[in-house]
Amino acid sequence: DGGITQSPKYLFRKEGQNVTLSCEQNLNHDAMYWYRQDPGQGLRLIYYSQIVNDFQKGDIAEGYSVSREKKESFPLTVTSAQKNPTAFYLCASSIGGYEQFFGPGTRLTVL
Amino acid sequence: GESVGLHLPTLSVQEGDNSIINCAYSNSASDYFIWYKQESGKGPQFIIDIRSNMDKRQGQRVTVLLNKTVKHLSLQIAATQPGDSAVYFCAAPGGGNKLTFGTGTQLKVEL
Repeated sequence: DGGITQSPKYLFRKEGQNVTLSCEQNLNHDAMYWYRQDPGQGLRLIYYSQIVNDFQKGDIAEGYSVSREKKESFPLTVTSAQKNPTAFYLCASSIGGYEQFFGPGTRLTVL
Repeated sequence: GESVGLHLPTLSVQEGDNSIINCAYSNSASDYFIWYKQESGKGPQFIIDIRSNMDKRQGQRVTVLLNKTVKHLSLQIAATQPGDSAVYFCAAPGGGNKLTFGTGTQLKVEL
């Protein structure tokens, strides 16, 4: 089955630690996106990539980093510089048009 | 850029009634809109889309209406069922291949 997978589903980290969230897609989509969602809020764009080896900052990139070494993979690192990292993180991909397909999400909690 | 907003954070309806979820947008040049459904703890799922050259589009039990004059769109769900309980987001192009999302309306279906 084609789709987007995110792992882990739940993630706990201590303050001051970096953590990497995985996002993999087998839809052969060129574009991939990372969003952050806080309770009762919409989706805010962190980073996006329209092609391998290229990515751009979204609206709230501070404290995050990404890489796009493979078409299928777009991992997100939440660094210790992110002041309030507890949130629900969503990865999405698109074939290049507007419609985006979302993964199941990773809930990150900072202890 | 585009900004998108939903009119009500919460909507409660009786099972079997029709639901209407509203959304306003700011950019009159926006040419495409998407509605997503997000169940608790999951990623958003595509419901239906509409291009600006249309006023209405129907899917299975859902209809989207677009009023470009007042920059408003609505999602109508016929015969609302308990499985329709979720948060509904509208989204519009945000430049490039990005989407701008509204804050979402929580639909609660009462039995």
